[in-house]
Amino acid sequence: EAQVTQNPRYLITVTGKKLTVTCSQNMNHEYMSWYRQDPGLGLRQIYYSMNVEVTDKGDVPEGYKVSRKEKRNFPLILESPSPNQTSLYFCASSPMRIRPHEQFFGPGTRLTVL
Amino acid sequence: DQQVKQNSPSLSVQEGRISILNCDYTNSMFDYFLWYKKYPAEGPTFLISISSIKDKNEDGRFTVFLNKSAKHLSLHIVPSQPGDSAVYFCAASAALINYGQNFVFGPGTRLSVLP
Repeated sequence: EAQVTQNPRYLITVTGKKLTVTCSQNMNHEYMSWYRQDPGLGLRQIYYSMNVEVTDKGDVPEGYKVSRKEKRNFPLILESPSPNQTSLYFCASSPMRIRPHEQFFGPGTRLTVL
Repeated sequence: DQQVKQNSPSLSVQEGRISILNCDYTNSMFDYFLWYKKYPAEGPTFLISISSIKDKNEDGRFTVFLNKSAKHLSLHIVPSQPGDSAVYFCAASAALINYGQNFVFGPGTRLSVLP
C-alpha cells in the first residue's frame, strides 16, 4: 500500500531533550516536506527536500533540523525542544515530475513539550 | 500576515445542498492552488487543484473556481453528503528560484453536512 508513515504518533517530552520524528514514504517520491499544524494557523511548512541531500527552509524552520540521506526517509530533528514546539506535525511527499502539487500526507505526530 | 486566508472557520449545510468554501490570498506569485480535506486523527488528503492559468476545474462533485483579479478561489461541493464533513484547507504554491516549491496553507474551514 502506497503510504507515508510517521513515528511516533504521540510523544510527550521535556524541554531540552533531543528527539527525532521519523518519516518514510514507499512511493519513490522526490519531494518531501514537514509541516506543523496549530489552531487558527493551518499548516505551516518547516522544511522541504527536493531530493536526496537537497533540503531547504520553509516558513518556520527555527528550532528544527532535517536530513535526506535516502530518498524514502526524511527525519525531523528537534535538538533542544521547547514548549512552543508543542504541535501536530505532518510529513508529506509528492512526485515532483508527475504531479508536483499533489502531496500525500502521513497520519501526523502529536508532540507535547513540557 | 497570513498569505492564504479562509475567513469562515466553520460552515453547516444540509445534505444534498451546495457547499461553498471560500479562500483569499495575497501573494500574486502563487501559481497553483489546492484544496485538501482532513478528517480527525488523519493527515490531510488532496482533493482538487487549479493552475493560475485556469479559472475553473471540475472533478465529480467538486469544482474549484479561481478569480485572479480578486485573488479569490472557492470550492463548490454539489451535492453535499454527510461524508464530506471534515476540515478543508486551501493551499497555494509558488515555484521558487531554486526549483523548490513553497506551499502555504490557510487556517481551514470545518464543514458539517447535516442529514
